[in-house]
Amino acid sequence: AQKITQTQPGMFVQEKEAVTLDCTYDTSDQSYGLFWYKQPSSGEMIFLIYQGSYDEQNATEGRYSLNFQKARKSANLVISASQLGDSAMYFCAMAGAQKLVFGQGTRLTINP
Amino acid sequence: DTGVSQDPRHKITKRGQNVTFRCDPISEHNRLYWYRQTLGQGPEFLTYFQNEAQLEKSRLLSDRFSAERPKGSFSTLEIQRTEQGDSAMYLCASSLKLSSYNSPLHFGNGTRLTVT
Repeated sequence: AQKITQTQPGMFVQEKEAVTLDCTYDTSDQSYGLFWYKQPSSGEMIFLIYQGSYDEQNATEGRYSLNFQKARKSANLVISASQLGDSAMYFCAMAGAQKLVFGQGTRLTINP
Repeated sequence: DTGVSQDPRHKITKRGQNVTFRCDPISEHNRLYWYRQTLGQGPEFLTYFQNEAQLEKSRLLSDRFSAERPKGSFSTLEIQRTEQGDSAMYLCASSLKLSSYNSPLHFGNGTRLTVT
């Protein structure tokens, strides 16, 4: 069975600082994908970034990057130059062939 | 560009009543998923369809829950004899590729169910 663990229930960061959101995973699959989603207070789930288990380079999408350490089974999300609009819940998720399994989430608050 | 659409956005019902939710996926997506999310938690998988075939159901999906996707287009999720524990956000998502491991799910805005 696949499992995602996010150990930070809440994070508080000053605007313009970088922030790292932790995610560890457990799977026996050789091929898998790791995703990060953002959920603002309005409720929609917004896809941010994807990392494949065979990708040799860390994924980047604008201000988002994924620090993938396969041996440690971690897939941390790094947000550079945080903005007030980054305040939201952030979910790490893992996919095998069939579905996404989500972690408990981290609530990120950006302070002005 | 139309995304995943869910209807209704909010539903308040009394315990014991039946409710039905609808999801319209992105038109070219062949996979459709239902998730449930309670306050402060991550989404929990309920079931998914590939075209019109329901391929997997979670143990969370009791006999009171049924989902359909006739003709492989829109989907409905019905809850019979609702209980207070059914109160949650019900999220629908769709994706394009056969294998979800490299294909992000695109989520709708959800239906928030409150059972009184």
